[in-house]
Parts: sequence; structure tokens; C-alpha cells
Amino acid sequence: NAGVTQTPKFQVLKTGQSMTLQCAQDMNHEYMSWYRQDPGMGLRLIHYSVGAGITDQGEVPNGYNVSRSTTEDFPLRLLSAAPSQTSVYFCASTSPGTGTEAFFGQGTRLTVV
Amino acid sequence: QKEVEQDPGPLSVPEGAIVSLNCTYSNSAFQYFMWYRQYSRKGPELLMYTYSSGNKEDGRFTAQVDKSSKYISLFIRDSQPSDSATYLCAMNRWAYGNNRLAFGKGNQVVVIP
Repeated sequence: NAGVTQTPKFQVLKTGQSMTLQCAQDMNHEYMSWYRQDPGMGLRLIHYSVGAGITDQGEVPNGYNVSRSTTEDFPLRLLSAAPSQTSVYFCASTSPGTGTEAFFGQGTRLTVV
Repeated sequence: QKEVEQDPGPLSVPEGAIVSLNCTYSNSAFQYFMWYRQYSRKGPELLMYTYSSGNKEDGRFTAQVDKSSKYISLFIRDSQPSDSATYLCAMNRWAYGNNRLAFGKGNQVVVIP
């Protein structure tokens, strides 16, 4: 019963490097989202998707790109890493209906030096 | 003004005490009100949710919603060390295909044995 799987769990990047955070879910949910969590800031929505082929920006989208070619996968790309992107990143997949239950991955701790 | 306000200050209580957490919000269209619990270095998990105004009880946990005041609360009775976690309020306005959640910043709760 995997739920939402995120890889990698930890990553250190140099400023200017690019990378992709992977997210996969096995619950056949249409709605998926990416958040970043910083101390004192809570969870902030980066991008979300309401289904394969459909994505939209959240409140902090700059510097990030997403695509959704399948229902299962929702990768997040950092285009040119900056120290301000040091954070913990969570992918979530939300059950249909009321939309009250979001299933989160274990998170990716990213440090940009 | 953020849609959801949650004072992110930490809270330390002795075992057996009542923990009281609250959030305020500005969007009167919110219909579902949730509390998520996040253990250290884990993703958030749904604790409970309430639809519209009223109370909901689940074991030692009680959620209250007052839509007229735009105020929600979570009470934990007979708190246990295992309740030590960060508690985030969340809410949404359900719309078909769009399950976007608005989160508070979270409160770190420490229950001291």
C-alpha cells in the first residue's frame, strides 16, 4: 500500500543546477499538488494538477516547473536552483469527493548551496 | 491578509492537559475545515474534518467550527506524549475537480511526560 512516493529523500544542489523531484501515487487520484514547507511559513502551494495534461500555478510557482503526462506521476523541476529554494518539498495526492483528505509523501529535504 | 491565519507559536503542555489550538480565516466560501497532524520529518496526515459549522468528536479530539466568526478550533483532551507533533489547520471550498486546500502555518505541540 504505497500511497504517495517521493524521491529523493535528501538532496544537496549547487546554485544554478537543475533537478527533478519525483512523485508517484498509486491511488488513481486526479488531483495532485506540490508544496514547500519552511519554518514559520507553513505549507505553501507551488503547483497543482487536476488531471493528466492539466497543471496550474499555486502561490509560489517561480523557479519551478511541472508536467502531468500520466495520472500516477507529477514531477517537479527546479530550473536553476537558488539558496532561497532550500526547503522541504511535499507532494500530495487528494482523494475525490470532498477533497478533504490529501495524502502526502515523506518529503524531500533540499539544500541549495 | 492571508486566507488562513494560525499563530505558529510552539505549545508545551504537561501530560494529561487539554491542548487548545485555533485558526481564523477570511474566505466565507470555505465549506470544509480540516486538521492535519505532522510528526517530525514526516508528511502531514489528516486527523479529522468538519463540514460547515458545528462540533465533531473523535476519541480525545474535538474539532469546532464557527462560520459566523470565521474561527475553528481543535481540542485534545488527556494529552499524551504521542500527541507531540505539529498541527495544521486547512480548509477548502469544494469545486468539481479542484480540491485546493488553504493551510495555516501550523502549531508545534510538545506534551511533556
